[in-house]
Amino acid sequence: AQTVTQSQPEMSVQEAETVTLSCTYDTSESDYYLFWYKQPPSRQMILVIRQEAYKQQNATENRFSVNFQKAAKSFSLKISDSQLGDAAMYFCAYRISYNNNDMRFGAGTRLTVKP
Amino acid sequence: DAGVIQSPRHEVTEMGQEVTLRCKPISGHNSLFWYRQTMMRGLELLIYFNNNVPIDDSGMPEDRFSAKMPNASFSTLKIQPSEPRDSAVYFCASRTGAGNTIYFGEGSWLTVV
Repeated sequence: AQTVTQSQPEMSVQEAETVTLSCTYDTSESDYYLFWYKQPPSRQMILVIRQEAYKQQNATENRFSVNFQKAAKSFSLKISDSQLGDAAMYFCAYRISYNNNDMRFGAGTRLTVKP
Repeated sequence: DAGVIQSPRHEVTEMGQEVTLRCKPISGHNSLFWYRQTMMRGLELLIYFNNNVPIDDSGMPEDRFSAKMPNASFSTLKIQPSEPRDSAVYFCASRTGAGNTIYFGEGSWLTVV
């Protein structure tokens, strides 16, 4: 079974600082996709970044980057120059690439940004 | 560029009433997903469709829940009769092709009293 674990229920960061959110997953597959979603108070799920497991290069989207460690099954999200608008719940998600199947989500990490 | 559109955004209903949630996927997307989010269980997949055909409904909690996708641009999730434990945020999401990103709607907040 595939599971996604986010060990940090809550995190806090000072505005303009950097914060890293942790995510680990359990799978026996070699080909899969990993995602980070942001859910602000509005409850909308917004894709932040995505990583294909076959790619060694870590994905980057502006201030958001990941540290993908395939052997360790770790997929952390780094937010640089944190902004007040980054405050939200962040969900790590996993999906097998070959299977038209659902995504497995972690329990989420609530990020607070202090001014 | 319209995203996934869900309605209603909020609904409060009495126990025993029928609830219908609606979803319009992104045009051109051939996979549609219904998720439920609660504090206790997090995000759970209820059912997904591929080319309007239900593929996996193993996440549907019980017979009170049903979902349909009569065409490529519309899907419904129905709860009949509704119960207080059905209170949750229900998300619809769509995707084009295997391997592509899933796009979520804004969710429908359901409260059953």
